[in-house]
Amino acid sequence: AQSVTQLGSHVSVSEGALVLLRCNYSSSVPPYLFWYVQYPNQGLQLLLKYTTGATLVKGINGFEAEFKKSETSFHLTKPSAHMSDAAEYFCAVRAGGGADGLTFGKGTHLIIQP
Amino acid sequence: DAGVTQSPTHLIKTRGQQVTLRCSPKSGHDTVSWYQQALGQGPQFIFQYYEEEERQRGNFPDRFSGHQFPNYSSELNVNALLLGDSALYLCASNQRIDTQYFGPGTRLTVL
Repeated sequence: AQSVTQLGSHVSVSEGALVLLRCNYSSSVPPYLFWYVQYPNQGLQLLLKYTTGATLVKGINGFEAEFKKSETSFHLTKPSAHMSDAAEYFCAVRAGGGADGLTFGKGTHLIIQP
Repeated sequence: DAGVTQSPTHLIKTRGQQVTLRCSPKSGHDTVSWYQQALGQGPQFIFQYYEEEERQRGNFPDRFSGHQFPNYSSELNVNALLLGDSALYLCASNQRIDTQYFGPGTRLTVL
């Protein structure tokens, strides 16, 4: 079984500042990890994913995340926040190599201060 | 290339009624999953269909059922609606074990 914990239901940063959204997972098998973004009244858009190989993965819109097995973490970062980054962000896990449904965290609402 | 589409976008029902939601997967995808997203929560996995069979199911009661058609499109049916079934219902599609891509969702309100 898998689970995801996202620390901080709300994160506020200034425009141009570093964005850091935290995700810790639990999985009994090697995980596949995902970050999705959701804008108001819309579905989920994939930002990036980790399956195997390089532990630092780059996604769309300047986001990246690093898989740290020893810390069971997959934190999302962006060097410089933009107003358009304001949205809900979800971390998700799936048993690696399997065809299972995704297990999501509760989400982090990112607020960008002008 | 159209992405995942869902219909209707919004739906209002009363307690005890039945509802059917529809999903068309992204071109080339053969697997469809359904998720329920309550207000302020992350999506929760309902079930997944592949080759017209339910392959995996989350922790949802039998009131939730589904179907996948030969063209890979899918329906989610919910019987005996409860107030707690009010949520955004998301459909996701993928090819085999590849990444899931999500549709815009159907907002269901139960009064």
